[in-house]
Amino acid sequence: TQLLEQSPQFLSIQEGENLTVYCNSSSVFSSLQWYRQEPGEGPVLLVTVVTGGEVKKLKRLTFQFGDARKDSSLHITAAQPGDTGLYLCAGAPGAGGTSYGKLTFGQGTILTVHP
Amino acid sequence: GAGVSQSPSNKVTEKGKDVELRCDPISGHTALYWYRQSLGQGLEFLIYFQGNSAPDKSGLPSDRFSAERTGGSVSTLTIQRTQQEDSAVYLCASSLVGTSGGEQFFGPGTRLTVL
Repeated sequence: TQLLEQSPQFLSIQEGENLTVYCNSSSVFSSLQWYRQEPGEGPVLLVTVVTGGEVKKLKRLTFQFGDARKDSSLHITAAQPGDTGLYLCAGAPGAGGTSYGKLTFGQGTILTVHP
Repeated sequence: GAGVSQSPSNKVTEKGKDVELRCDPISGHTALYWYRQSLGQGLEFLIYFQGNSAPDKSGLPSDRFSAERTGGSVSTLTIQRTQQEDSAVYLCASSLVGTSGGEQFFGPGTRLTVL
């Protein structure tokens, strides 16, 4: 069974601060996805990282996939109240795993950015 | 709208009753997934459909849970003899094809409360 440990579980910061969320596993994933979820809605995909060592930027958000494809991080620069939400990482099985999109999700990080 | 829809949005039931949750995927999406999410937590995989068949039912918690998909479109998740621990948000997602790393589009979920 593949597991993803996501940390921290809760993050409460002031507007303008930087933050990093981590996802770690002992398993190799073929790709790692980051989702954002707001109350009463389903998760929305932010980014997919596929290559070990890959870095992707989405405005103030920077996503990194570990060289061994076992871990990932999400860094937000100058956080804004609009960034508030639940952030989820999800991994797709690596070599030898299922060929379809069965995702393993981390426990999520609840981010609150205060004005 | 062309997104994934789920009904009902909220369901309150008494312990021991049966419930049916419905998912309408995006038209043309062959893969459909059911997940369960406890309050503020990550998602737990329940079942995957490719067309009308379910090659992976490994996430269903017990034999009280079943799901079907008809016409390669609408899916119904049925929970028999509901228990309080079944209370959660049930999310449905669809993707164009069931490939690893493919984007899954989520519905808003059905919040189930078992009294």
